[in-house]
Amino acid sequence: DAKTTQPNSMESNEEEPVHLPCNHSTISGTDYIHWYRQLPSQGPEYVIHGLTSNVNNRMASLAIAEDRKSSTLILHRATLRDAAVYYCTPEGAQKLVFGQGTRLTINP
Amino acid sequence: DVKVTQSSRYLVKRTGEKVFLECVQDMDHENMFWYRQDPGLGLRLIYFSYDVKMKEKGDIPEGYSVSREKKERFSLILESASTNQTSMYLCASSLRGFGGNQPQHFGDGTRLSIL
Repeated sequence: DAKTTQPNSMESNEEEPVHLPCNHSTISGTDYIHWYRQLPSQGPEYVIHGLTSNVNNRMASLAIAEDRKSSTLILHRATLRDAAVYYCTPEGAQKLVFGQGTRLTINP
Repeated sequence: DVKVTQSSRYLVKRTGEKVFLECVQDMDHENMFWYRQDPGLGLRLIYFSYDVKMKEKGDIPEGYSVSREKKERFSLILESASTNQTSMYLCASSLRGFGGNQPQHFGDGTRLSIL
């Protein structure tokens, strides 16, 4: 399984952009990069995924490095409801492997 | 929106009991998954199924079995519960896709305690 590295925690202010980094230097050429987030006492929630190109959806944007060894999840305007643990995971065989993730705190 | 429903949010059982965890999805997804999530160990795949009556072992299948008799329902069975199976159990489903191009949709989990 490809190994991912994320900061343990990050903090931001409400209504400001947040950039969550992830290193996945051992990712294989066919693995997609998925991001999920998890609120306390809830199951993980899908956020976004991509292969090579940058991706946008209603929740976030995903910027993928040209060599695919890293990616950045961008929350354009953080709200208090975005406070969660964020996981990035390469997925190629329909199996998700979550590491420790980044605990995001949003200050009012 | 996809709805994945797990039968119980909290469950307490005794060592040696046979335990059934049920999961139902309402979006006609082909794939269904059972994971467990433990502090410090992250998310680990127990079993998955890509079709009715089909199952594949994940990374930690020992002590577990599964059943998929209908497309929408995927059951996880602890044959003889042990204390090291105390954990958060998460069910997920996804469309069948090529490689990793399909997101997985999770239920809210069952927090199982084995005494």
